Amino acid sequence: DTAVSQTPKYLVTQMGNDKSIKCEQNLGHDTMYWYKQDSKKFLKIMFSYNNKELIINETVPNRFSPKSPDKAHLNLHINSLELGDSAVYFCASSQATGGTQPQHFGDGTRLSIL
Amino acid sequence: GESVGLHLPTLSVQEGDNSIINCAYSNSASDYFIWYKQESGKGPQFIIDIRSNMDKRQGQRVTVLLNKTVKHLSLQIAATQPGDSAVYFCAENMGYGQNFVFGPGTRLSVLP
Repeated sequence: DTAVSQTPKYLVTQMGNDKSIKCEQNLGHDTMYWYKQDSKKFLKIMFSYNNKELIINETVPNRFSPKSPDKAHLNLHINSLELGDSAVYFCASSQATGGTQPQHFGDGTRLSIL
Repeated sequence: GESVGLHLPTLSVQEGDNSIINCAYSNSASDYFIWYKQESGKGPQFIIDIRSNMDKRQGQRVTVLLNKTVKHLSLQIAATQPGDSAVYFCAENMGYGQNFVFGPGTRLSVLP
């Protein structure tokens, strides 16, 4: 009965490769997010989608492309991976678009670039 | 005690004592605040929230205090237990459609 689930949990790959991370939520929420957490535990939003539409796109390189096939899924595709992309990526969802409801987070995908 | 430096700030408390974790938020227009707990290998987990029209809110063993004058938020944990050991984040939001901005986090370490 996991609320927000991400796959894979660990991703180890080489520089230059393309990889995807999948996220699904079964809470019936309208809004989903991707966050990046660096080695110092700093959490920064990357994207948010409301009902499959992009709302927030922070200054993220265009090598990162989110895709939302329906409001329960928000996947993250990363092209030409770089060493600096190593981090933990968290998917989250909320009932409403920011500012009014808490977000529910998945357990993260730890991405390591060799 | 609390240490702040290049590493994640750490607060060490004795089991059974009360803990107070502090957060200075950045924007005076922020009107919604959340405290999250992040255990090792897990995502942030909602603890308690507060809106700007309140200055105190209580949950089970936790209390959040909001001081808008000095843009300060605190989380008080009563009778701290080993299971409370985690990194705690505050997050602020300026309203509908806006990002949540997370604080840098504080590691709470509960000593036996």
